[in-house]
Amino acid sequence: NAGVTQTPKFRVLKTGQSMTLLCAQDMNHEYMYWYRQDPGMGLRLIHYSVGEGTTAKGEVPDGYNVSRLKKQNFLLGLESAAPSQTSVYFCASSSAGQSQNSPLHFGNGTRLTVT
Amino acid sequence: AQTVTQSQPEMSVQEAETVTLSCTYDTSESDYYLFWYKQPPSRQMILVIRQEAYKQQNATENRFSVNFQKAAKSFSLKISDSQLGDAAMYFCAYRSGYAGGTSYGKLTFGQGTILTVHP
Repeated sequence: NAGVTQTPKFRVLKTGQSMTLLCAQDMNHEYMYWYRQDPGMGLRLIHYSVGEGTTAKGEVPDGYNVSRLKKQNFLLGLESAAPSQTSVYFCASSSAGQSQNSPLHFGNGTRLTVT
Repeated sequence: AQTVTQSQPEMSVQEAETVTLSCTYDTSESDYYLFWYKQPPSRQMILVIRQEAYKQQNATENRFSVNFQKAAKSFSLKISDSQLGDAAMYFCAYRSGYAGGTSYGKLTFGQGTILTVHP
């Protein structure tokens, strides 16, 4: 069982380049999330989605865009990468039913370096 | 907005000893859940233990237990009989108990505590 799969695992970008991170889940979860992890700051929510075709801003959305065209996929885009976006990015998903008690399932992260 | 604070950036413990990681949170809600996640060097996020705010009894999972003090808004993690495999980053996290609204199951994380286990 794959769970939550993130691609790629690592990426190096130059300032100004664009890229898309892909998250796929096979658990039929309604809710999906993108977090970034930075030293001393824990994980911070970038964007999230509560269903196919819907997205919403989290705590640190600036510089990122997302799309959820299919229920199982949640894409995170960087249109013009900046060094401040160097981070580890995590995707997570959760069931909507009894969502508050349902655990988040995390992918294994993408380490992005912007030079 | 809810906040979660882990005031210990790093902790260390001798193998087989006990260590306690601290976490405090701030919320105006009465219904919520608290979590401890473990992140080993592999970056995998592993759920260690979960506490429902409406339960007075502290959660336990084998060698892991919590001290939940709702009035003090404190949620510490105790690891007994520490093992080398416990070495990791540990995150405390908060989740609203109210479905829908602006919650949607989102987690708010603390800054993390790096735990080192000495043989």
